[in-house]
Amino acid sequence: EPEVTQTPSHQVTQMGQEVILRCVPISNHLYFYWYRQILGQKVEFLVSFYNNEISEKSEIFDDQFSVERPDGSNFTLKIRSTKLEDSAMYFCASSRQLNEKLFFGSGTQLSVL
Amino acid sequence: QKEVEQNSGPLSVPEGAIASLNCTYSDRGSQSFFWYRQYSGKSPELIMSIYSNGDKEDGRFTAQLNKASQYVSLLIRDSQPSDSATYLCAVNAAAGNKLTFGGGTRVLVKP
Repeated sequence: EPEVTQTPSHQVTQMGQEVILRCVPISNHLYFYWYRQILGQKVEFLVSFYNNEISEKSEIFDDQFSVERPDGSNFTLKIRSTKLEDSAMYFCASSRQLNEKLFFGSGTQLSVL
Repeated sequence: QKEVEQNSGPLSVPEGAIASLNCTYSDRGSQSFFWYRQYSGKSPELIMSIYSNGDKEDGRFTAQLNKASQYVSLLIRDSQPSDSATYLCAVNAAAGNKLTFGGGTRVLVKP
């Protein structure tokens, strides 16, 4: 069964450093997303991406964050100048069409020290 | 602020019983509704999707949607210990393409 894959599964970084989280969405899906979940809190929407551009972003997704689809398969989330409060589980997701079910990757646990 | 509300639980049910989970949402224009299961430290796993009023059954799971009351529910029949997890309600608004998640209901199925 096709699945969304994310790497790395764990990332530890120092405050102020840049991190790149990587995702390979399901191959025939057209919509890509990043969500995050701080420990013990809700899953929060960050950004959606379609046709090589951001289609929607949340208030969380400020200038510190960026997304990119550098080739036909990868989808990345870059976090510049990480802060302690960026520590969370980051989930990539994809869907075939708008308003259809999302399939989530296994997540990257980001720890900012 | 568009909200999705769930009782945090824990909802404790004996093995073999029915677990009933509820979710309310604030955006009346919401179009798509989903139930995800999340085990501790893992990613959300889709259980059910529902788009129109009424019931939708899939195996031991039944989702119910009432758009007039802005209410969606999930029934788990013949609950098993492996069903012990947090169940997340997620709603896709009419405008835009993002899921808003509730805080989840923790379910404990006791043998």
